[in-house]
Amino acid sequence: NSKVIQTPRYLVKGQGQKAKMRCIPEKGHPVVFWYQQNKNNEFKFLINFQNQEVLQQIDMTEKRFSAECPSNSPCSLEIQSSEAGDSALYLCASSPREVFFGKGTRLTVV
Amino acid sequence: GQGVEQPDNLMSVEGTFARVNCTYSTSGFNGLSWYQQREGHAPVFLSYVVLDGLKDSGHFSTFLSRSNGYSYLLLTELQIKDSASYLCAVRAPNYNVLYFGSGTKLTVEP
Repeated sequence: NSKVIQTPRYLVKGQGQKAKMRCIPEKGHPVVFWYQQNKNNEFKFLINFQNQEVLQQIDMTEKRFSAECPSNSPCSLEIQSSEAGDSALYLCASSPREVFFGKGTRLTVV
Repeated sequence: GQGVEQPDNLMSVEGTFARVNCTYSTSGFNGLSWYQQREGHAPVFLSYVVLDGLKDSGHFSTFLSRSNGYSYLLLTELQIKDSASYLCAVRAPNYNVLYFGSGTKLTVEP
């Protein structure tokens, strides 16, 4: 069973507002991922880290999205100015080799 | 590109078995994972395979053929509670990013 902890479980924001979600990866897992799952259940990779350093991120993440994974603090994903199309389930996962997901943060932008 | 294909739906009967197929065509391969996802919940890790052949994990077994770009998840002695979506995800060599199929919705009938 996954020990990845994500908060909050649900987040409601107005368009243009900031939306921030947090993730505590499983202890000992050096790699952290963020994925977005839309209403059609399609997964989109956003960004991943290894030991606080960004490994790879998509273009979308480079613009309105920001993420960090500081040492001794939860990882976070923040949307600077939320849009309706950002409504989705945001999944954090950590990995030694297999990838384990947290329960997700469901963002609704109204 | 990364193409991971799964059938949308599968139906089977309680007490029998179900085989969820996955084909992939990806630029590089570093293993394949299977997840179970229930509506409104995060994916739950089931299995990770990287070598050809059948891996028996009891209720779930997984098969991989790298030369054919093919895997399947076999569920035996089906129960109603096995009704869920089953996701196939191929891990890319670059930073272990997972590329997901669209998921197969399994319905187990009495």
